Amino acid sequence: EIVLTQSPGTLSLSPGERATLSCRASQSVSSSYLAWYQQKPGQAPRLLIYGASSRATGIPDRFSGSGSGTDFTLTISRLEPEDFAVYYCQQYGSSPRTFGPGTKVDIK
Amino acid sequence: QVQLVESGGGLVKPGGSLRLSCAASGFTFSDYYMSWIRQAPGKGLEWVSYISSSSSYTNYADSVKGRFTISRDNAKNSLYLQMNSLRAEDTAVYYCAQRGAAEDYWGQGTLVTVSS
Repeated sequence: EIVLTQSPGTLSLSPGERATLSCRASQSVSSSYLAWYQQKPGQAPRLLIYGASSRATGIPDRFSGSGSGTDFTLTISRLEPEDFAVYYCQQYGSSPRTFGPGTKVDIK
Repeated sequence: QVQLVESGGGLVKPGGSLRLSCAASGFTFSDYYMSWIRQAPGKGLEWVSYISSSSSYTNYADSVKGRFTISRDNAKNSLYLQMNSLRAEDTAVYYCAQRGAAEDYWGQGTLVTVSS
């Protein structure tokens, strides 16, 4: 099973700032099958990024993903008030699909 | 638009059973693999099970293997999760999700609480 580690655990930033979230895998993620999800309190997760760098339908271009192998990054170029949430990475290249523990982005 | 609506959650005693349902609309249900994913209160996400579009393939997390059974009825656009021998550690919100590129669309979830 591939174990995903996310850092930092919490990121405290102000609106307008840039957020950089990291996801590291215990072994190489096949074909960059790495996704990022956003979850707000009381809501279901929402797919942001798949294939490490492709934005899902309707996702603003301030969200971008990069990386390959074992190291991946989600970048939010300029934080909007609605972006403060928990972000999870997920690998879906090998079974079982696994999620990271999440990074909480909160308001500084 | 894609809509997934879970139902069937509730309070059940340890050792009991529960059947979750997920009603799908807004897409051709029979074309997609489907997943169940759960989230314990205040915790992260855990993949539980998936089923292929024609029900030919299923897979389960080790934590539920032998206790949970995933199924679907393409004529009714519905996904199911039969949960037997429930334990306290199965307490969670259970989400169904459409498997496209990743888990592309999620329902709002249904809460299962296992407690005496």
